[in-house]
Amino acid sequence: ETGVTQSPTHLIKTRGQQVTLRCSSQSGHNTVSWYQQALGQGPQFIFQYYREEENGRGNFPPRFSGLQFPNYSSELNVNALELDDSALYLCASSPGLAGGELFFGEGSRLTVL
Amino acid sequence: GEDVEQSLFLSVREGDSSVINCTYTDSSSTYLYWYKQEPGAGLQLLTYIFSNMDMKQDQRLTVLLNKKDKHLSLRIADTQTGDSAIYFCAEMGDNQGGKLIFGQGTELSVKP
Repeated sequence: ETGVTQSPTHLIKTRGQQVTLRCSSQSGHNTVSWYQQALGQGPQFIFQYYREEENGRGNFPPRFSGLQFPNYSSELNVNALELDDSALYLCASSPGLAGGELFFGEGSRLTVL
Repeated sequence: GEDVEQSLFLSVREGDSSVINCTYTDSSSTYLYWYKQEPGAGLQLLTYIFSNMDMKQDQRLTVLLNKKDKHLSLRIADTQTGDSAIYFCAEMGDNQGGKLIFGQGTELSVKP
């Protein structure tokens, strides 16, 4: 049990739609990161939020956006869904930027038809 | 850019030791991680090591870090069938917080 929870666990969307995925961080963790894991691949860093501000972004287009709330929960939004967006989306929380323990949730599996 | 590489498959017999290897390119790596992923599940943090250490042991797990060669290994003693999973190595750069660069994963198969 990592204390990081994600919702929904599975969802199916069609191309062009929009999706919002949610993550609740472990208590006391003010940093959340989002990752995309395509089938058979390692996770790819999307972006990170630290104290409600975006703090680093991977090689993903602007239609991937996020929010972090005062309670440090977070959302990942993806607009104009494409077939290649089908993946497992993982969020991770940590107590800060310095590194150390980094716990992942179970992920949200998105299928785009 | 930064890169992390792992061999894709490893097969061992139950009771043997498993050694999973990883190489990385980022010389400013501060933390290196090992995660386990079972089918359909998220990532389970197994262990991590700070870059100024060369070894860390935690029950059946031993992590060795050769910073000069940028080589990391995970040894699992007395491997069990429940250890069958994909193992990911990941590195974090200096002050990069939650930004990890992952390898492709090594699929460990444990045969009875």
